[in-house]
Amino acid sequence: KAGVTQTPRYLIKTRGQQVTLSCSPISGHRSVSWYQQTPGQGLQFLFEYFSETQRNKGNFPGRFSGRQFSNSRSEMNVSTLELGDSALYLCASSPGQVSYEQYFGPGTRLTVT
Amino acid sequence: AQSVSQHNHHVILSEAASLELGCNYSYGGTVNLFWYVQYPGQHLQLLLKYFSGDPLVKGIKGFEAEFIKSKFSFNLRKPSVQWSDTAEYFCAVIVTGFQKLVFGTGTRLLVSP
Repeated sequence: KAGVTQTPRYLIKTRGQQVTLSCSPISGHRSVSWYQQTPGQGLQFLFEYFSETQRNKGNFPGRFSGRQFSNSRSEMNVSTLELGDSALYLCASSPGQVSYEQYFGPGTRLTVT
Repeated sequence: AQSVSQHNHHVILSEAASLELGCNYSYGGTVNLFWYVQYPGQHLQLLLKYFSGDPLVKGIKGFEAEFIKSKFSFNLRKPSVQWSDTAEYFCAVIVTGFQKLVFGTGTRLLVSP
C-alpha cells in the first residue's frame, strides 16, 4: 500500500501571501490530521477531518484552515503568511475510528521570508 | 488540557548500551499511547502503541515500552542500541474518543559507533 503523500515537499513564500498544501492519505483511510512541527514548539495539532467534516481543531488562528474532499484527500490553507508560520507541516492518515494510530507523510517544508 | 513530558532532550549512548527514554502524560481518563521515531531526513514512523491489555508492549526494531498507569508513564526501552537507532523519539497520547495526538517535545538520541 502506498503511504501518505504530501505536495509540494518544499515551498518558499513571502509574508502576506497565502499557501495551500495537499495531502493524499493511505488508500482506505478516511481520517486526515494536520500537524505543525517547529524547533521551538515541537509537534502541534492543527485539525482533523473525517468524511469531509472537521472533527477536531487545535489552538491555531483562523488563518489556518483546511478541507477534505470526498476521496479523503485533504488540503490545508494558510492565509496572510507570517514569518512564524515557517515550519514542517505534517499530514497523517488513519482508518477513521477515533483513537487509532496515525501514519505520517513526509511533510511540506514551508519557509516564509 | 492533556500534556506529555519527555524529560531527556538529548541522549548520547555508545553502541550496545541499554536505552530508556522517559515519558509521562497528564490526563486522568483513558488514553492510548504511542512512540514515534523520526530518523534523519525521514518522516515520523510508528514504533509501538498501547491501547489496552498487557502493559508491556513490543514494537519494531527491538523496542519495547511499559505502561504504568499509577505513574502516568510510558517509558521506551531497548536492551542494546545500534548506530542506526540515531533519531528523534516522540512520545504521544490520544485521549480515548478523540483523534488528536498530543506529542512530547522529543528526545534526540545519538548512538556513537
